[in-house]
Amino acid sequence: KAGVTQTPRYLIKTRGQQVTLSCSPISGHRSVSWYQQTPGQGLQFLFEYFSETQRNKGNFPGRFSGRQFSNSRSEMNVSTLELGDSALYLCASSLGNSDGSSEQFFGPGTRLTVL
Amino acid sequence: GDSVTQMEGPVTLSEEAFLTINCTYTATGYPSLFWYVQYPGEGLQLLLKATKADDKGSNKGFEATYRKETTSFHLEKGSVQVSDSAVYFCALSRLDSSYKLIFGSGTRLLVRP
Repeated sequence: KAGVTQTPRYLIKTRGQQVTLSCSPISGHRSVSWYQQTPGQGLQFLFEYFSETQRNKGNFPGRFSGRQFSNSRSEMNVSTLELGDSALYLCASSLGNSDGSSEQFFGPGTRLTVL
Repeated sequence: GDSVTQMEGPVTLSEEAFLTINCTYTATGYPSLFWYVQYPGEGLQLLLKATKADDKGSNKGFEATYRKETTSFHLEKGSVQVSDSAVYFCALSRLDSSYKLIFGSGTRLLVRP
């Protein structure tokens, strides 16, 4: 079956702009999590959505937001971009069982460069 | 709070050498532990996991044992191949509904022919 899809794969933006990234989970998966990967901070959890509701949130400013649609596809938005937002943004999908036991499958990521 | 510490890289080995990548964690209770691998230009792939103390996770010749007494989850492979060259991440997660993974900083492995 098809894996996790992220679009676009690459983005270049300038400071102050906003950006929207998309993640399509594996069919049947209802949970989508987002991570930011940078050389300095490593992999950091942004937020997780399940059935259109945000279930958990990491320690990022309010400029980072997300949503999930009824088909489980998810978007994340970053407003007022800063140079430090340049990163690889990864999403992961899972069945999202409430006991935390579902395996997470990662997409290839979106590489965002802020100039 | 919870955290994961893994050895700095890069680790450079010759083909067929023995591999150990150290990982220790700080967490209350009994988190689940994972090793993920990231190949160039790709996302993360789950390599193996362990959900309770003394569990051994294994996959593709890689192994790691959940050691509660030393709070460790070291990754080992008896004979590495050039195709194992990648970045390896140790991670922990609580068995709750958050699905939040806490990652170590990653260790780059380079295997030379």
